[in-house]
Amino acid sequence: DVKVTQSSRYLVKRTGEKVFLECVQDMDHENMFWYRQDPGLGLRLIYFSYDVKMKEKGDIPEGYSVSREKKERFSLILESASTNQTSMYLCASSLRFQGNQPQHFGDGTRLSIL
Amino acid sequence: GQNIDQPTEMTATEGAIVQINCTYQTSGFNGLFWYQQHAGEAPTFLSYNVLDGLEEKGRFSSFLSRSKGYSYLLLKELQMKDSASYLCAVRDTEGSTLGRLYFGRGTQLTVWP
Repeated sequence: DVKVTQSSRYLVKRTGEKVFLECVQDMDHENMFWYRQDPGLGLRLIYFSYDVKMKEKGDIPEGYSVSREKKERFSLILESASTNQTSMYLCASSLRFQGNQPQHFGDGTRLSIL
Repeated sequence: GQNIDQPTEMTATEGAIVQINCTYQTSGFNGLFWYQQHAGEAPTFLSYNVLDGLEEKGRFSSFLSRSKGYSYLLLKELQMKDSASYLCAVRDTEGSTLGRLYFGRGTQLTVWP
């Protein structure tokens, strides 16, 4: 069965901290994505990657960076956390050439920045 | 820019039928997805349309008209467990954006007994 695993369901950090959110998929998918989801705003794409060491900016990359050193792992980094980055973060993965295959999502990390 | 519109909220009663509409204006089109998301959980895939017409999957059906930039999700024989947010997403054309999805803001469906 398809599995996307995010390292934490809930995380509380302080303003200014460097925060790492980890995502691992076991489906040998080429594409991986990081979204944040806020009430009334829906899912917004932060960064995505189509291969190891490759990354592309999404719609709201400011204040974030990513790392993809291995195919199965995609990390989201908040360089210096701020309160406006309090949100639900969702990781997803998909095949490179997708056809009718959807993106598969992890359970999400609810991040609070104090 | 990319624009995906769907109603913010809908309500219906158990056993009824509900139709959730989605209109889109995107620079490229390579399929439309519907996801279901229960509160505090991950979105889960419901349906996919890339050609015009109706796709049926049990109690759920999805329709697409590419010329009108329009889709709907039809839920029949509603159950309480169908109370959730329903997300419409359009996939961009393969290429530099590798078929990324553009999501609508979601329609919160509440099913009453």
